[in-house]
Amino acid sequence: QKEVEQDPGPLSVPEGAIVSLNCTYSNSAFQYFMWYRQYSRKGPELLMYTYSSGNKEDGRFTAQVDKSSKYISLFIRDSQPSDSATYLCAMSHLTGGGNKLTFGTGTQLKVEL
Amino acid sequence: GAGVSQSPSNKVTEKGKDVELRCDPISGHTALYWYRQSLGQGLEFLIYFQGNSAPDKSGLPSDRFSAERTGGSVSTLTIQRTQQEDSAVYLCASSLAAYRGSGHEQYFGPGTRLTVT
Repeated sequence: QKEVEQDPGPLSVPEGAIVSLNCTYSNSAFQYFMWYRQYSRKGPELLMYTYSSGNKEDGRFTAQVDKSSKYISLFIRDSQPSDSATYLCAMSHLTGGGNKLTFGTGTQLKVEL
Repeated sequence: GAGVSQSPSNKVTEKGKDVELRCDPISGHTALYWYRQSLGQGLEFLIYFQGNSAPDKSGLPSDRFSAERTGGSVSTLTIQRTQQEDSAVYLCASSLAAYRGSGHEQYFGPGTRLTVT
């Protein structure tokens, strides 16, 4: 079993829809949670970064972390065709001073006109 | 400002040859990471550098893989005697100093797409 599980999709939604993306994890040592967006043939772009449990909002994006359930979510409001990309969750904990990220496999999102 | 840059963007090599991949981190970032992204495997950690400390090599898949970082800035990932299973996108990321409470926000370069024929 992988440390981080993420539904690969593809997920197809109409423009303007609310999108919910999720990851579950098994390692309770994870404390830092990130969401990256990756366009085809590009490097991942950091979208949201959350420490421990709680919510964080940035424009149309909201990240939620529930450490008791080992479950994290990314919500995208008023989705746009430009949001079409692969969304990767990533997590880390301190190991000897380093911050190795453990990634989910990514969810492919398509927002259609 | 300038982001993380990587070169070459694409590399095709024959099985058994050595390859070198280069990464230029964001100026002022002292932590540098290499990851590998392959189909069905997602992103896998390879190696991490922090300042002048010994690198964390725990993710390197075999002794054919090595990396160095010169002058605390540019890094080179070397793969010797390449195999077809080495075909992947190799991504470099950098962050501020990676110690307790900081450096978790990693910024990625565009990657080098390696194809071993």
